[in-house]
Amino acid sequence: QVQLQESGPGLVKPSETLSLICAVSGYSIRSNYYWGWIRQPPGKGLEWIGSFYHSGSTYYNPSLKSRVTISVDTSKNQFSLRLSSVTAADTAFYYCARSGDISGANDYWGQGTLVTVSS
Amino acid sequence: QSALTQPPSASGSPGQSVTISCTGTSSDVGAYKYVSWYQQHPGKAPKLMISEVSKRPAGVPDRFSGSKSGNTASLTVSGLQAEDEADYYCSSYAGSNTYVFGTGTKVTVL
Repeated sequence: QVQLQESGPGLVKPSETLSLICAVSGYSIRSNYYWGWIRQPPGKGLEWIGSFYHSGSTYYNPSLKSRVTISVDTSKNQFSLRLSSVTAADTAFYYCARSGDISGANDYWGQGTLVTVSS
Repeated sequence: QSALTQPPSASGSPGQSVTISCTGTSSDVGAYKYVSWYQQHPGKAPKLMISEVSKRPAGVPDRFSGSKSGNTASLTVSGLQAEDEADYYCSSYAGSNTYVFGTGTKVTVL
């Protein structure tokens, strides 16, 4: 059974960098599939942040591209998200998820973690 | 890359059907057969209900069905049940390995 678990600081100061990790169990992220990040401000809709393919290619939401980095640690079977220069607008639940193919249908999700940007 | 447009709310009585629309553009919904639908209950992660416009993952009741015409995709929930009350989001491939979500629809079972 594939499981994803997000972890990281729940509070980040404005202008600093948000860093989260998604630990994957039950499947090797270097074997196949797309793995990515999606966020949801409290009470609002979902926003795709970015993803990577098992081969190493990364893809980002054009509106966030200048601030986002997704990296992979295959030795630990986990991937991470870094979002720089955060503001209050980046306060959200952050989910990591898996998509089986380019369709973007995310069939496995983490439980999500709330990150608040505040001084 | 703008969010896909969904009605804010939809409702129906138990046993009835409800259809949710998801309107995009010729660069996303209209261009690809890669529309997904998600159900999200309060405090929970989204759950995949439909992929590639009309495919149901294993375990999803056949009461849920999807379709697409032009730049608009639709999700129909037939035989509404109390547990179907949730937020629903569409998502579409938008080219160049990017994706866009819909604005979300709150479904109420009356």
